[in-house]
Amino acid sequence: GESVGLHLPTLSVQEGDNSIINCAYSNSASDYFIWYKQESGKGPQFIIDIRSNMDKRQGQRVTVLLNKTVKHLSLQIAATQPGDSAVYFCAENRAAGNKLTFGGGTRVLVKP
Amino acid sequence: DGGITQSPKYLFRKEGQNVTLSCEQNLNHDAMYWYRQDPGQGLRLIYYSQIVNDFQKGDIAEGYSVSREKKESFPLTVTSAQKNPTAFYLCASSHDRDQPQHFGDGTRLSIL
Repeated sequence: GESVGLHLPTLSVQEGDNSIINCAYSNSASDYFIWYKQESGKGPQFIIDIRSNMDKRQGQRVTVLLNKTVKHLSLQIAATQPGDSAVYFCAENRAAGNKLTFGGGTRVLVKP
Repeated sequence: DGGITQSPKYLFRKEGQNVTLSCEQNLNHDAMYWYRQDPGQGLRLIYYSQIVNDFQKGDIAEGYSVSREKKESFPLTVTSAQKNPTAFYLCASSHDRDQPQHFGDGTRLSIL
């Protein structure tokens, strides 16, 4: 069925290194994608979004890449910090309506 | 400050009891959403509302009900028909399509 999924459930990264979180989606009609960060006991926090007419978008220390050919989305975090430890979700918004479909999440653990 | 407020933070339900979770937003958003999150998993859509006095079922609506009498409020009732209600419930809102959904900090519901 149609779904958004992640390749790696847990990512351990050394403080100061760059992190890359991957996400695969299967619905070619999806035209809007969002990355969220969720800390324990809290709601997801918006990080960055990208529309299907773009390949790359940069924010503060974060970059999202979209490869529509292979239906792949990635989030890059530069100079990962302890405060980046959380679960990261990708979500896709399909062409009809404003319903988000979420992936299963990747836990990022930052080692000091 | 503008945001989404969910209450209570923790809620306990007795057998056969209906409970209502509150969600209020002062972001002037038209659309509001309810998600369920089980441990170690992503978010699943229960109900959503794109405008006052209108709402639609999401992917897992059985055993739940909602109302949208005011733009600011979108309460979720977990009925006794929901046999496995223990979960983390998240409310979100968005301005319109292709805008990120903003989340509250959730209500954790448990069975007594």
